[in-house]
Amino acid sequence: EPEVTQTPSHQVTQMGQEVILRCVPISNHLYFYWYRQILGQKVEFLVSFYNNEISEKSEIFDDQFSVERPDGSNFTLKIRSTKLEDSAMYFCASNGVWQGTGELFFGEGSRLTVL
Amino acid sequence: GENVEQHPSTLSVQEGDSAVIKCTYSDSASNYFPWYKQELGKGPQLIIDIRSNVGEKKDQRIAVTLNKTAKHFSLHITETQPEDSAVYFCAASLTTDSWGKLQFGAGTQVVVTP
Repeated sequence: EPEVTQTPSHQVTQMGQEVILRCVPISNHLYFYWYRQILGQKVEFLVSFYNNEISEKSEIFDDQFSVERPDGSNFTLKIRSTKLEDSAMYFCASNGVWQGTGELFFGEGSRLTVL
Repeated sequence: GENVEQHPSTLSVQEGDSAVIKCTYSDSASNYFPWYKQELGKGPQLIIDIRSNVGEKKDQRIAVTLNKTAKHFSLHITETQPEDSAVYFCAASLTTDSWGKLQFGAGTQVVVTP
């Protein structure tokens, strides 16, 4: 069964450092997303990406965040200067939409710990 | 924007009993309501979804009902098994606007005891 894969599974970083989280969406999918889940809280939408550009972003997704699809397979989330409050589980997701199901397929997440 | 409330936050059931989780949403324009199951250390996985033109949908032991007038939807799991133990999230979105922008509920920790 096709799946969304994410690396790293866990990253520990110092406050102020740059972090890049990587995702390989399902190969024939067209829409890509990042969500985050702070421990004990809701899963929150960060950004959606289609046709090589951001289609929508939440208020959480400020100038410290950026996304990129550098090649045909990877989808990355960069946090330029991490803060303590960026500590969370970050989930990548993708869907095809053309399938008409709307189902989002989530990766297993990257846990980011900012010290 | 959309706000989704989910209850209860924890639910303990005996194996074989039924479990019901309820969600309400605020935006009457929302038209897609998926339910996700999240097992420890894994990402959310879709278990069932319903669209606003349908009142009920069933898939084996799980079913979802939607009341558009009251703006609430519920997940029903019958004949629960220990492997049903997980966190369950409801969500809502407006597919004509932004298909994958889901607004999640806070989650329900379901524990099925043998």
